[in-house]
Amino acid sequence: DAGVIQSPRHEVTEMGQEVTLRCKLISGHNSLFWYRQTMMRGLELLIYFNNNVPIDDSGMPEDRFSAKMPNASFSTLKIQPSEPRDSAVYFCASSVDRGLYGYTFGSGTRLTVV
Amino acid sequence: AQKITQTQPGMFVQEKEAVTLDCTYDTSDPSYGLFWYKQPSSGEMIFLIYQGSYDQQNATEGRYSLNFQKARKSANLVISASQLGDSAMYFCAMREIYSSASKIIFGSGTRLSIRP
Repeated sequence: DAGVIQSPRHEVTEMGQEVTLRCKLISGHNSLFWYRQTMMRGLELLIYFNNNVPIDDSGMPEDRFSAKMPNASFSTLKIQPSEPRDSAVYFCASSVDRGLYGYTFGSGTRLTVV
Repeated sequence: AQKITQTQPGMFVQEKEAVTLDCTYDTSDPSYGLFWYKQPSSGEMIFLIYQGSYDQQNATEGRYSLNFQKARKSANLVISASQLGDSAMYFCAMREIYSSASKIIFGSGTRLSIRP
């Protein structure tokens, strides 16, 4: 099992550009969670999906953020246009049973918007 | 609303000593799960241990144990015989089982440093 795979590992982009973060779930997992980690705000849940359906997107900060799950094994988080305050580490995590017993996290994408 | 509190921003411990990381929580849901995750300097989030609210015994995983005191709403992590590799951020987390939102929320973390 390759685990939860995120790409890219690092992304540096200019303010105003579109950024797309990608996540591949563990095979057999049916829940997907996107978190953002910053020094100031810690780990924040942005959105989560269960069986490809968004369940809770109350953590998505603004309309500039959008997330999709086009199939059972893949998800994207898009920021358009990006701003310097979006700089953070973005984690995705997957689980079975909506994370009843915890998640498996990916390695994260460190995003820097300059 | 669910809430997780970790009151120790940082701790220093001598190698081979036991260490306790504090965590208190608040929830109105009678069924919930408690978790601890480790985040080393490399950045990945590593699951350590899980405790269910109805579990009669404290959870243990190798050198990790969870001191679960339900009445006090505390879920402290105990690491026995600490090692240099235990130096990391540690996050306590909780999930309400019956909440419609049903998501894991995390505390602010404790940075543990092990001295040789």
